[in-house]
Amino acid sequence: EVQLVQSGAEVKKPGESLKISCKGSGYSFTSYWIGWVRQMPGKGLEWMGIIYPGDSDTRYSPSFQGQVTISADKSISTAYLQWSSLKASDTAMYYCARPEYSGYDLGYWGQGTLVTVSS
Amino acid sequence: SYELTQPPSVSVSPGQTARITCSGDALPKQYAYWYQQKPGQAPVLVIYKDSERPSGIPERFSGSSSGTTVTLTISGVQAEDEADYYCQSADSSGTTGVFGGGTKLTVL
Repeated sequence: EVQLVQSGAEVKKPGESLKISCKGSGYSFTSYWIGWVRQMPGKGLEWMGIIYPGDSDTRYSPSFQGQVTISADKSISTAYLQWSSLKASDTAMYYCARPEYSGYDLGYWGQGTLVTVSS
Repeated sequence: SYELTQPPSVSVSPGQTARITCSGDALPKQYAYWYQQKPGQAPVLVIYKDSERPSGIPERFSGSSSGTTVTLTISGVQAEDEADYYCQSADSSGTTGVFGGGTKLTVL
């Protein structure tokens, strides 16, 4: 069974750094892209970027390029989303997801990680 | 940057047909995907590659494509279909993905 298990909720202050994780299991982690999706409170889904753990090929939405870093450690089947300096506007639910049927679908989703940034 | 446009809301009575559209310049070149999201839950893929239905998704969900517009059709809408629906595709180069703004389906 394919599973994506994300790290727990975080409460941080503006300016702090953060790295959240998404651990894949039940499949070959290096053979599928993993994407990250943001959902701000009461708002829609936003496609942030994706990584192919097999060769670390990473693609970012123009809206998120330079704002976050996506990485993966294939030795522990885990993808990451990190910030070097959080802002209040980074407060959101963050989902990782993986294709199920083709290159760009997101058929498998993690449970989400709620990030709250507040002074 | 590339955008997909959806109507903010659609309302239908139970048993009627709901149609949710999604427009984007690259849709003739790139497949579209549709997701259903209920409050407090992660999204669920309901249509992939414009018109394919994942296993476990009811037959009343269907998708179609015409030019720069794709459409999610829910036939015989049930109360449980009330949710937010998002289309998703890729830019013309296929490099990055994008979501539409979402459509809130209300079952009257």
